Amino acid sequence: DAGVIQSPRHEVTEMGQEVTLRCKPISGHNSLFWYRQTMMRGLELLIYFNNNVPIDDSGMPEDRFSAKMPNASFSTLKIQPSEPRDSAVYFCASSWTGNQPQHFGDGTRLSIL
Amino acid sequence: EDQVTQSPEALRLQEGESSSLNCSYTVSGLRGLFWYRQDPGKGPEFLFTLYSAGEEKEKERLKATLTKKESFLHITAPKPEDSATYLCAVQAVPGKSTFGDGTTLTVKP
Repeated sequence: DAGVIQSPRHEVTEMGQEVTLRCKPISGHNSLFWYRQTMMRGLELLIYFNNNVPIDDSGMPEDRFSAKMPNASFSTLKIQPSEPRDSAVYFCASSWTGNQPQHFGDGTRLSIL
Repeated sequence: EDQVTQSPEALRLQEGESSSLNCSYTVSGLRGLFWYRQDPGKGPEFLFTLYSAGEEKEKERLKATLTKKESFLHITAPKPEDSATYLCAVQAVPGKSTFGDGTTLTVKP
């Protein structure tokens, strides 16, 4: 079975540019999560979708971040405008339901110059 | 606010030298405690879920246990391929997991 697929794997861009990260969850999973991982703050939950509906976005840092899930097989996380402090590894994960173990993609390593 | 503290931050073992990793937590109404393994450049990989105090789960050289305040991940006779960062996460609300900072395990041959 294909796991969670994220793209791109690496992104380097300049401050102020728009960044879009993409995620394809495991087929049949109803819950999707976006996380950010840094050395300073560890793994932080940004937003949680259930059945394509955002349930909890309290972890989204600020209005520059937005996430969408237009259908059950695709989600995006957008940062506009990007700032150097947004540099991190961003993970997407999915699970059967919100309280089941999560399956993670291999992440997008984002560097904002 | 849910809190998870993992110790030690780093652990170096010789191959075959058994040890334990600790995950202490504070949460209002634990629904589940999860252990994950993370290799460099990869996403966390699920290992175990524990739901109630006294529960134990085993997989190969790993055994996870749970009390009302902490969980242990016991590693018996580790091999170099067990080297990774081990993450603990707690969940009180469906969908909202709080992760610890992890323990980085290095097993020397």
